[in-house]
Amino acid sequence: DTEVTQTPKHLVMGMTNKKSLKCEQHMGHRAMYWYKQKAKKPPELMFVYSYEKLSINESVPSRFSPECPNSSLLNLHLHALQPEDSALYLCASSQAGTLGYTFGSGTRLTVV
Amino acid sequence: GQNIDQPTEMTATEGAIVQINCTYQTSGFNGLFWYQQHAGEAPTFLSYNVLDGLEEKGRFSSFLSRSKGYSYLLLKELQMKDSASYLCAVRHFNKFYFGSGTKLNVKP
Repeated sequence: DTEVTQTPKHLVMGMTNKKSLKCEQHMGHRAMYWYKQKAKKPPELMFVYSYEKLSINESVPSRFSPECPNSSLLNLHLHALQPEDSALYLCASSQAGTLGYTFGSGTRLTVV
Repeated sequence: GQNIDQPTEMTATEGAIVQINCTYQTSGFNGLFWYQQHAGEAPTFLSYNVLDGLEEKGRFSSFLSRSKGYSYLLLKELQMKDSASYLCAVRHFNKFYFGSGTKLNVKP
């Protein structure tokens, strides 16, 4: 298995909703990441988990809450989002300290 | 701060060769990576350089000069499916810093 699987692929949520994005990989990668990408912009790092511990939070608002239940799973809990949070949310994983990322196909989030 | 520059857009003809340049100034360097991204899809890994020189991978090659803070991606025998954005990214430990991407349009 050489993939990073993200669910759902599309999500529409209201500003008062609570939802979660899920990411799963079975490549034994010990580093996992959340990125946010707006249209025609590069991906922007949000969070890094290394060995299931949060190692980097790029000053992300608290309405985004990451969780790493085990070495294969990464969640992003969403609460009270704003319309400007609408974007493609990408999960990625990598073998710690080596090579590049493997990206998931992303969740396209629309906040209404 | 991190600064990674790429041309915004390029156009080339099917069957031709195109070179996409990337210059960078970053606080640290553990490798330079090139990703391809089709509209609305996730980036896919193409190539990476850690040491100076040319890395060849089929129709794609990437070059790095660390002293100049410069890299390029060379695409040969262009195909229509190569129309996409190409992202240059510098890795520093666990972080990737992405350039804004170069949108490549391949014409028949």
